[in-house]
Amino acid sequence: DAGITQSPRHKVTETGTPVTLRCHQTENHRYMYWYRQDPGHGLRLIHYSYGVKDTDKGEVSDGYSVSRSKTEDFLLTLESATSSQTSVYFCAISPESNYGYTFGSGTRLTVV
Amino acid sequence: GQQVMQIPQYQHVQEGEDFTTYCNSSTTLSNIQWYKQRPGGHPVFLIQLVKSGEVKKQKRLTFQFGEAKKNSSLHITATQTTDVGTYFCAGQYSGGSNYKLTFGKGTLLTVNP
Repeated sequence: DAGITQSPRHKVTETGTPVTLRCHQTENHRYMYWYRQDPGHGLRLIHYSYGVKDTDKGEVSDGYSVSRSKTEDFLLTLESATSSQTSVYFCAISPESNYGYTFGSGTRLTVV
Repeated sequence: GQQVMQIPQYQHVQEGEDFTTYCNSSTTLSNIQWYKQRPGGHPVFLIQLVKSGEVKKQKRLTFQFGEAKKNSSLHITATQTTDVGTYFCAGQYSGGSNYKLTFGKGTLLTVNP
């Protein structure tokens, strides 16, 4: 959807290397989320943010960190990538916590 | 933790047949949302239900929220090939942090033309 972009769209990285995924929005929405999607598991929340510098953990946060220094950007970092982090990562935004989410197009990450 | 169970996992239909997917939560939901994800795409928000017993329609799609606000369904009448994709429900719970949606695992719908 226009208004939310993820980069990169695809990435292959080696085990043990750090990786940062970027989510950028132009909607000025307060809430931003990072999900991963894996076959058989659906969408699982990694971390979310409810404002600049306000973040919290989701259900699968181990091995991930996030930062939000500006309203428009939400970064997801894998400090030391592992093969279990091979997945499709989606960023989502919403203006309020109880509104529908707008998802980005996703980043397909492969850790070899 | 809170879970939203969704069935069936897969559904294959002939074009023109109806389709229904169901979601169930063991605890009361504050609201429930529905999303559609086309193959290779990203989830797209369809609708949100908030009130007990609420029914909403979008063309051939009918969404229901149970009286106890613990279950929901999505019904598609006379499926078309454009309906192909995975349909997810996602629930929010009252109390505590309401920032997070809990997604069901989705129902993959395939349509034979």
